[in-house]
Amino acid sequence: DSGVTQTPKHLITATGQRVTLRCSPRSGDLSVYWYQQSLDQGLQFLIQYYNGEERAKGNILERFSAQQFPDLHSELNLSSLELGDSALYFCASSVATSGGRTGELFFGEGSRLTVL
Amino acid sequence: GQQLNQSPQSMFIQEGEDVSMNCTSSSIFNTWLWYKQDPGEGPVLLIALYKAGELTSNGRLTAQFGITRKDSFLNISASIPSDVGIYFCAGFDYKLSFGAGTTVTVRA
Repeated sequence: DSGVTQTPKHLITATGQRVTLRCSPRSGDLSVYWYQQSLDQGLQFLIQYYNGEERAKGNILERFSAQQFPDLHSELNLSSLELGDSALYFCASSVATSGGRTGELFFGEGSRLTVL
Repeated sequence: GQQLNQSPQSMFIQEGEDVSMNCTSSSIFNTWLWYKQDPGEGPVLLIALYKAGELTSNGRLTAQFGITRKDSFLNISASIPSDVGIYFCAGFDYKLSFGAGTTVTVRA
């Protein structure tokens, strides 16, 4: 158990819909990262938050957005869903010394999104 | 962006064998890490390397941070059945970039 909690574990929805994925980081971790894992693209970095502020952005679509709340949990919002958005979405957290420069991430078990 | 090339893509292991996999990058990283992912789980950190040339062990796992800072390898000695899974290399600068993974399967 990594200490990172993600909900829901599975989600099935239709194209055009909007979903929200939730992540609670390990106790004490200030940084939250979101990754997308699909069969043909591997693990793709989406976005990082550090103590409530966006710190780094990767290959995140404009239809996707995220935020980190004062209690440090994070939500990833996916809208106007397309078939190609079906994937595993992982949240990870880290202790993040100043600037978050460790790379030692602890991953949750993921949320599997299926878009029909 | 950075591209990490991990090889081999897949391998079969027999219990007791030593296996190795490696990762090269077009960019320099300050940190190299190796993760393992079991089915239905998130990646789990195995080894982190912070210094060029560093050789680090974690039980039967040994990893090295290449001198050029553009490559790393992972060795697993005396394989056991629970070593099956997907192994990912990762390089860290301001974000963690992953290789495509090496799928390790037990040879029948």
